[in-house]
Amino acid sequence: AQKITQTQPGMFVQEKEAVTLDCTYDTSDPSYGLFWYKQPSSGEMIFLIYQGSYDQQNATEGRYSLNFQKARKSANLVISASQLGDSAMYFCAMREGISSGSARQLTFGSGTQLTVLP
Amino acid sequence: DSGVTQTPKHLITATGQRVTLRCSPRSGDLSVYWYQQSLDQGLQFLIQYYNGEERAKGNILERFSAQQFPDLHSELNLSSLELGDSALYFCASSVAAGQFAGELFFGEGSRLTVL
Repeated sequence: AQKITQTQPGMFVQEKEAVTLDCTYDTSDPSYGLFWYKQPSSGEMIFLIYQGSYDQQNATEGRYSLNFQKARKSANLVISASQLGDSAMYFCAMREGISSGSARQLTFGSGTQLTVLP
Repeated sequence: DSGVTQTPKHLITATGQRVTLRCSPRSGDLSVYWYQQSLDQGLQFLIQYYNGEERAKGNILERFSAQQFPDLHSELNLSSLELGDSALYFCASSVAAGQFAGELFFGEGSRLTVL
């Protein structure tokens, strides 16, 4: 079974508008972290935002916020006021076993290609 | 700049050959991860090292091997290369393996093309 599912292969958004990128996950581990990375066409992986499974509040980092719905096992990324430079591939990822002292590697979803239109 | 350095950035070679990809983690990071990104497989975890020892293994082929040296740099060796090995290979590092240390910091990747 897929641990991380991103159902939107591609998304378009108008500049200055907000966009939500979907991510659902599957784990039986009570202690995990959820991450979003951005990969522009140049190829590097850029960390955007993190949400821990025990965090009470949704994470925010500037124009990025994470809509964390634990019961639904979803961790959607919201980008507000989109900019042309936001055009990139976005990956959702999960890291299990955090509080057990055996945090494992990141498992990635298949990604969503976001295109911001002028 | 993530602080993780990967060399070479680009590599073109022929089937059947062997290549070595090198990674220097961020200063102070003990854990190194290798990922393969191909068009059809997405980002696949290959292997993790922590302070010189193998910690976790993912979808790494037997033709591939890795190691982490005492100075913490790591090398990924790919042998008997096939066309399907063409991909972007990422190295990432984090402070520790057992403790939650936040995000992984990725290098810029080594793009391997097998002809």
